[in-house]
Amino acid sequence: KAGVTQTPRYLIKTRGQQVTLSCSPISGHRSVSWYQQTPGQGLQFLFEYFSETQRNKGNFPGRFSGRQFSNSRSEMNVSTLELGDSALYLCASSTNPAPYEQYFGPGTRLTVT
Amino acid sequence: AQTVTQSQPEMSVQEAETVTLSCTYDTSESDYYLFWYKQPPSRQMILVIRQEAYKQQNATENRFSVNFQKAAKSFSLKISDSQLGDAAMYFCAYRLYSGGGADGLTFGKGTHLIIQP
Repeated sequence: KAGVTQTPRYLIKTRGQQVTLSCSPISGHRSVSWYQQTPGQGLQFLFEYFSETQRNKGNFPGRFSGRQFSNSRSEMNVSTLELGDSALYLCASSTNPAPYEQYFGPGTRLTVT
Repeated sequence: AQTVTQSQPEMSVQEAETVTLSCTYDTSESDYYLFWYKQPPSRQMILVIRQEAYKQQNATENRFSVNFQKAAKSFSLKISDSQLGDAAMYFCAYRLYSGGGADGLTFGKGTHLIIQP
């Protein structure tokens, strides 16, 4: 089975712009979660989608949003980029129900200048 | 809010020896899952092992095993016969199970494991 794929792998954006990241889960996985990884804050949960519905959300401002399509692919969007949004964004997919272990993609490295 | 603490920022072990990475967590819940993930320099997060809180038996996956102490809220990872490929950041993670679903993972800050040849 193919793993979780994320595109693009690297991205450079300017402050104030917006960005969209894409994630394709493992075939058969209907749950997709997004995480932000930074040296200072570590790994933080952004949100989770299941069957096109946001099921959980972390403590991030409204500039961070996401969606899931009927084929379980997911996108996350960050509007009005700030320098602090520079991070590795990780997508993870899992089956449902338990035990809910999540399988991660290689990440998208976003640099905001 | 749940928190996960990894008190060892860095650990070093000789190849072929055994090393134990520590993790403690804070929760008032009873149904949850615990995981250890490995992140090598490639940054790809790899699931190492998982433990369901309702199971008393400690999980084992080949050279990797855990010591799960629910009352103490402790979840340590033991790596036996350490190999050079084990060098990575190791993250302990907690996931609350709530009814029909589960929350996002809460991660510790990680332990950088160095394998000395």
